[in-house]
Amino acid sequence: AQSVAQPEDQVNVAEGNPLTVKCTYSVSGNPYLFWYVQYPNRGLQFLLKYITGDNLVKGSYGFEAEFNKSQTSFHLKKPSALVSDSALYFCAVRDGASSASKIIFGSGTRLSIRP
Amino acid sequence: GAGVSQSPSNKVTEKGKDVELRCDPISGHTALYWYRQSLGQGLEFLIYFQGNSAPDKSGLPSDRFSAERTGGSVSTLTIQRTQQEDSAVYLCASSLRWTGNTEAFFGQGTRLTVV
Repeated sequence: AQSVAQPEDQVNVAEGNPLTVKCTYSVSGNPYLFWYVQYPNRGLQFLLKYITGDNLVKGSYGFEAEFNKSQTSFHLKKPSALVSDSALYFCAVRDGASSASKIIFGSGTRLSIRP
Repeated sequence: GAGVSQSPSNKVTEKGKDVELRCDPISGHTALYWYRQSLGQGLEFLIYFQGNSAPDKSGLPSDRFSAERTGGSVSTLTIQRTQQEDSAVYLCASSLRWTGNTEAFFGQGTRLTVV
């Protein structure tokens, strides 16, 4: 069965510093990986995805994520954090072994950027 | 509309009553998901409609929960004999295809409060 883990409930970063939000996954086939962001009282917004190809994926709002097959990780990164990046971030995975597999989400990581 | 539309946005119901939550996916999207999010927590998978195939109901928490998708478009999630633990935000999402490499787009959710 597929699963995804976000080991940190909260990440605190100073504005201007780089940020990393961690995600690891488990699937039986090739993984399809996604990051979503949820701002307060807003729906989930898609940030980026990894399907195949380059391990470094670039997405919205200056975010990027690095796929690491050997470590089964897909960490979200940004070189310079903004206060406006403060939100709840979700990693998600879909198992490529099945054409009909569902998307499973992690428990979420709350990112707090201090001025 | 351009996005996933959910109604109502808020619903307060008495314990024991039945409720129906509606989701109108993006036009042309063949896959539709329902998730549940409790008070800023992670997303709990409920059900997944995949084209014309039988839905994946593996996430429905009890037989009080059911969902249907009529004509491959609008979906209704029904909760019978509501309990206080059903209080949560119910999120609907759709994706273009039910194969693995397409991301899901979310609605704003229905906040259900059972009193």
